[in-house]
Amino acid sequence: GNSVTQMEGPVTLSEEAFLTINCTYTATGYPSLFWYVQYPGEGLQLLLKATKADDKGSNKGFEATYRKETTSFHLEKGSVQVSDSAVYFCALSSTNRDDKIIFGKGTRLHILP
Amino acid sequence: GAGVSQTPSNKVTEKGKYVELRCDPISGHTALYWYRQSLGQGPEFLIYFQGTGAADDSGLPNDRFFAVRPEGSVSTLKIQRTERGDSAVYLCASSFGEFTDTQYFGPGTRLTVL
Repeated sequence: GNSVTQMEGPVTLSEEAFLTINCTYTATGYPSLFWYVQYPGEGLQLLLKATKADDKGSNKGFEATYRKETTSFHLEKGSVQVSDSAVYFCALSSTNRDDKIIFGKGTRLHILP
Repeated sequence: GAGVSQTPSNKVTEKGKYVELRCDPISGHTALYWYRQSLGQGPEFLIYFQGTGAADDSGLPNDRFFAVRPEGSVSTLKIQRTERGDSAVYLCASSFGEFTDTQYFGPGTRLTVL
């Protein structure tokens, strides 16, 4: 079945460091791919998404490119801030048009000042 | 505008009791989803409504779990004979309902079964 695997955390970086959180997926067909973020004490928020191969999603300085050949959707940011500390979830939507989202286990990110 | 709201925010109950969790979706959203998030895990799909009907309930773990959406807006997730393993954060999300539309999540209800 469809699944998402993302790097385990926690990931600890200093402010202004470069961030990569790896995500790979297994799916039939052509799923849409997402990164969701959960800030401390808040609900899940969509960070970015890509709906077809080679699409790049971007938001708040974060980027991820839908790579069908490597079945990956790695999250990157060039210069992280303390306010980026959160849990990040890679996810995909089912391809049979029922819209349910399958999430990875999440990666906790700590940014040190 | 108002986002997805869920009540209660926290619920503590005893093993064997019945609980109801409520979700108010964003106005105009026809699709509504329930997910369950256990500690240290990503959310897991439970059930999906399109309008009043459950379009996919394949994620419900067993027949103790049931959800309704009688008027196509508010939804209630009902858990009978609660077990300690039901303890988790229950998340609700809504969307306009078209394929790949963004799902907007509520803050969740943290259920603790003692």
